[in-house]
Amino acid sequence: EVQLVESGGGLVQPGGSLRLSCAASGFTFSDHYMDWVRQAPGKGLEWVGRARNKANSYTTEYAASVKGRFTISRDDSKNSLYLQMNSLKTEDTAVYYCAREGFARYYYGSGSRNYYYYYMDVWGKGTTVTVSS
Amino acid sequence: QSALTQPASVSGSPGQSITISCTGTSSDVGGYNYVSWYQQHPGKAPKLMIYDVSNRPSGVSNRFSGSKSGNTASLTISGLQAEDEADYYCSSYTSSNTIFGGGTKLTVL
Repeated sequence: EVQLVESGGGLVQPGGSLRLSCAASGFTFSDHYMDWVRQAPGKGLEWVGRARNKANSYTTEYAASVKGRFTISRDDSKNSLYLQMNSLKTEDTAVYYCAREGFARYYYGSGSRNYYYYYMDVWGKGTTVTVSS
Repeated sequence: QSALTQPASVSGSPGQSITISCTGTSSDVGGYNYVSWYQQHPGKAPKLMIYDVSNRPSGVSNRFSGSKSGNTASLTISGLQAEDEADYYCSSYTSSNTIFGGGTKLTVL
């Protein structure tokens, strides 16, 4: 079964730090780009950032609202994605979801080609982060 | 980057069809065929319903369809059912980032 399980959420004071983890199973984690998406209480979804795979140099991208404070990393040997959150603000209070981006490998002749798709086809159940004094 | 614009709410009776719009700019919705739609029931994780403007993942009912014209994408749900009542979010790729719409609450009357 394809599954993503987030952990590490909790209560933290403004200015503090927290590290979220996402454990993946049931698919080849190293093939996929992985994202973090958050949802503040009663609000809509907000993309946090993306980590590309080894084939794409593990590059990362971030939303403007978290750039410079949050860092996404991954450990393909552990099938895990991480979100290091520093200098937390009250407005970072949210449910944080880990999500998998679409991927396909097509075989032709003697080779293959990878395609990366900008949609999120598997989501975890989320972990709650509360930033409050 | 501003969020994509969606109506806050739409409603329809069982069996009817509804359409949810998602308006962006030429830098996001209009510039790429990477619009996706997600359904979210209260307290649950989002679920992918449409990807790349008009494609349905395996297992999603063919009552759900997507389209795009210029800078506006649309999600249409035909033959409304009670279980379709949920929040719906559009999303678009834009120059290495991803943005979501503000979400639309669908009420099945």
